[in-house]
Amino acid sequence: GQSLEQPSEVTAVEGAIVQINCTYQTSGFYGLSWYQQHDGGAPTFLSYNGLDGLEETGRFSSFLSRSDSYGYLLLQELQMKDSASYFCAVRRGNYGQNFVFGPGTRLSVLP
Amino acid sequence: DAGVTQSPTHLIKTRGQQVTLRCSPKSGHDTVSWYQQALGQGPQFIFQYYEEEERQRGNFPDRFSGHQFPNYSSELNVNALLLGDSALYLCASSTPGHQETQYFGPGTRLLVL
Repeated sequence: GQSLEQPSEVTAVEGAIVQINCTYQTSGFYGLSWYQQHDGGAPTFLSYNGLDGLEETGRFSSFLSRSDSYGYLLLQELQMKDSASYFCAVRRGNYGQNFVFGPGTRLSVLP
Repeated sequence: DAGVTQSPTHLIKTRGQQVTLRCSPKSGHDTVSWYQQALGQGPQFIFQYYEEEERQRGNFPDRFSGHQFPNYSSELNVNALLLGDSALYLCASSTPGHQETQYFGPGTRLLVL
């Protein structure tokens, strides 16, 4: 079967750094994506790791270790607007978009 | 540049009815995927359409069917609605060269009574 695990909730203060972890067990693995979703909104693409290592995009970075079936999203210089749900998603193949999403982590940023 | 659009935004149906949801992909995108998102959960992949054909399918029954038109827009049809079909239905588009980046529409919230 397919399973992804993420912490259900994370709380941090403005200006802090937070790391959201994701572990996965899937049949077929091609890469790991991260999406942000505000309440009532659509998921928005943040980052993708097709290879092991760190990808940096502004205040957001994402890491992947295929050997550990593990990845994380790192958010720096937290802002109030970062309060949202964050989903990791495994891309299971190169042909077609067969993505398996995790249950999501709700991040609350406090003043 | 218009992003992904979906219609309607909200819909209320009763058990046993049928529903059709519509999606227009982002300009320049030719691949459309549909997802079901229950409250408090991550999106679940229903199926993907490319070149007017279903290319991939998730673990959903045959009551869920779809179509893609020559202009790349797509429809999701659900027959014999169940209470458990109540969810946010999301459409996402991408290009074949960048399938790792999906652009999601605002979704259609379906309530089955």
